[in-house]
Amino acid sequence: GAGVSQSPRYKVAKRGQDVALRCDPISGHVSLFWYQQALGQGPEFLTYFQNEAQLDKSGLPSDRFFAERPEGSVSTLKIQRTQQEDSAVYLCASSFSTFQGDEQFFGPGTRLTVL
Amino acid sequence: AQSVTQPDIHITVSEGASLELRCNYSYGATPYLFWYVQSPGQGLQLLLKYFSGDTLVQGIKGFEAEFKRSQSSFNLRKPSVHWSDAAEYFCAVATLTSGTYKYIFGTGTRLKVLA
Repeated sequence: GAGVSQSPRYKVAKRGQDVALRCDPISGHVSLFWYQQALGQGPEFLTYFQNEAQLDKSGLPSDRFFAERPEGSVSTLKIQRTQQEDSAVYLCASSFSTFQGDEQFFGPGTRLTVL
Repeated sequence: AQSVTQPDIHITVSEGASLELRCNYSYGATPYLFWYVQSPGQGLQLLLKYFSGDTLVQGIKGFEAEFKRSQSSFNLRKPSVHWSDAAEYFCAVATLTSGTYKYIFGTGTRLKVLA
């Protein structure tokens, strides 16, 4: 596709449920990022992949959060035993290389609401 | 600590008026700076970026930004605002740590345009 896509666009979960959020980056992009955007806040970094390798997961808020990119393209962010504080928009971004000055292309996000 | 500050949470301007959105950063090395715009339900779109050279950079949609190292600022400007510019604007710095990079975003400035 032409841009970064994410699915589902909206997800409602009951507290304690597991959820999986998918990101399809731009084809050929080496770097992939996940961000969490709470209401009224800027995006906050969660994790970074270079191809299939997860090089930085320092932003994951707890061990309930897990991300993977097994073949270096599609990525999944999984949240186990969701809590109300997990409610946010989850943004995925990709960039062409590993250069710090590369533009990150963002998907539309998945809005997660935990009841 | 690495951070980005956008002091203005909300700004309201009349259509046709000039606009300046403020951004201050804290980063020890050469900064790679970005401005993104986020419209409701849309992903983040890059307006412009700076990492070397001329301190006044031009972007899309008639926006420009000026990098001032002495003030650690990267303010976004537009000479004449259009109603379609109403959106949320985020300043970001790309940080490099242990060989991996990520964006640190400000909390955003929401722009309202009066007809």
